[in-house]
Amino acid sequence: AQKVTQAQTEISVVEKEDVTLDCVYETRDTTYYLFWYKQPPSGELVFLIRRNSFDEQNEISGRYSWNFQKSTSSFNFTITASQVVDSAVYFCALSESLDTGNQFYFGTGTSLTVIP
Amino acid sequence: DTEVTQTPKHLVMGMTNKKSLKCEQHMGHRAMYWYKQKAKKPPELMFVYSYEKLSINESVPSRFSPECPNSSLLNLHLHALQPEDSALYLCASSQGLQFNQPQHFGDGTRLSIL
Repeated sequence: AQKVTQAQTEISVVEKEDVTLDCVYETRDTTYYLFWYKQPPSGELVFLIRRNSFDEQNEISGRYSWNFQKSTSSFNFTITASQVVDSAVYFCALSESLDTGNQFYFGTGTSLTVIP
Repeated sequence: DTEVTQTPKHLVMGMTNKKSLKCEQHMGHRAMYWYKQKAKKPPELMFVYSYEKLSINESVPSRFSPECPNSSLLNLHLHALQPEDSALYLCASSQGLQFNQPQHFGDGTRLSIL
């Protein structure tokens, strides 16, 4: 079973629009971490944020914000006033305390295109 | 600029060739990873090294042979690859194998098998 679901395969927005990328996870572990990564066409996965299962505070970093809700097992990512440079594939990932080896369960990714 | 450096950026090889992919990090990380990523798919874990010892092998075919000469370097030796092995190969590192550690990725090597 897929532990991390990113239902939006592709999203297109016009520059300056806000966009939310959805991430729903499934785990039996009580202690876990969630991550978001950005993968531009160059290939590198860029680490954006880490959130542990005990910290449900929302986080804002510039135009980026994250909404973590344990009640719905979601960790959504919003980009405010999108820019062309935000065009990339975004991956949500889960890491569980019961696993060894710091294994990440990646979602299938959401490809975001920001149109100028 | 990425702190994990992978070489080469691109590699084209025949099915009978032997080549190696290299990965280097200078962040003092003790865990290093190899991933394979096909187009429009998430990365798939291949190998994990911790303190220069192989910790996880995700049932990868023996035509892929990893090597960790020291804590900063990770190699992936390739031999007799198949066309389906064409993919982006990503290296990553983390401080350790604790589950809360973010992994830091390189730009990858785009591998094409003829």
